[in-house]
Amino acid sequence: GQNIDQPTEMTATEGAIVQINCTYQTSGFNGLFWYQQHAGEAPTFLSYNVLDGLEEKGRFSSFLSRSKGYSYLLLKELQMKDSASYLCAVRSDYKLSFGAGTTVTVRA
Amino acid sequence: DGGITQSPKYLFRKEGQNVTLSCEQNLNHDAMYWYRQDPGQGLRLIYYSQIVNDFQKGDIAEGYSVSREKKESFPLTVTSAQKNPTAFYLCASSISSSTGSGYGYTFGSGTRLTVV
Repeated sequence: GQNIDQPTEMTATEGAIVQINCTYQTSGFNGLFWYQQHAGEAPTFLSYNVLDGLEEKGRFSSFLSRSKGYSYLLLKELQMKDSASYLCAVRSDYKLSFGAGTTVTVRA
Repeated sequence: DGGITQSPKYLFRKEGQNVTLSCEQNLNHDAMYWYRQDPGQGLRLIYYSQIVNDFQKGDIAEGYSVSREKKESFPLTVTSAQKNPTAFYLCASSISSSTGSGYGYTFGSGTRLTVV
């Protein structure tokens, strides 16, 4: 079975940094993805990690430790438009399994 | 522009009725997927297809059926056997289901189904 855990909610101030953690226990592993989803909309791809380490993409960075079954998404210089749900997903057995998502609220 | 089109955006179903949700992609992707999303929950896999004329059950396939007669199309039928069908349904596709690809999924804009 697949078990992917992430916090339910986080709140941060505009311009600040927020780190969203994701831990996973899956029957296989072929990569970890982060998606952003605004309310009522489709998820959009943010990042992909398959090897240990940090991947940086502008204001967003993602980290993976396969031995610990752990990843985080780092959002820097938060903007109001970053208020959304962030989904951690693990690929194994030819399909993606998703965590429940972390709702991030950015306050002015 | 390539993408995935889901229709309709909103759908209302009476109890006991079957309804079909459409999903069409022009990305030339081999693999297609259907997920269900409920409030406060993650996406749960209903069915997926890696190639035309073949599909597999996901984690919550009971009460649903699919077909994959064309590469571009992967319709989902919500049958009367599905006891709690009210949810947000998302269709997705990927280049392939191969394990080494850094490509994730491309999602459609979703269909919100409500039982009335």
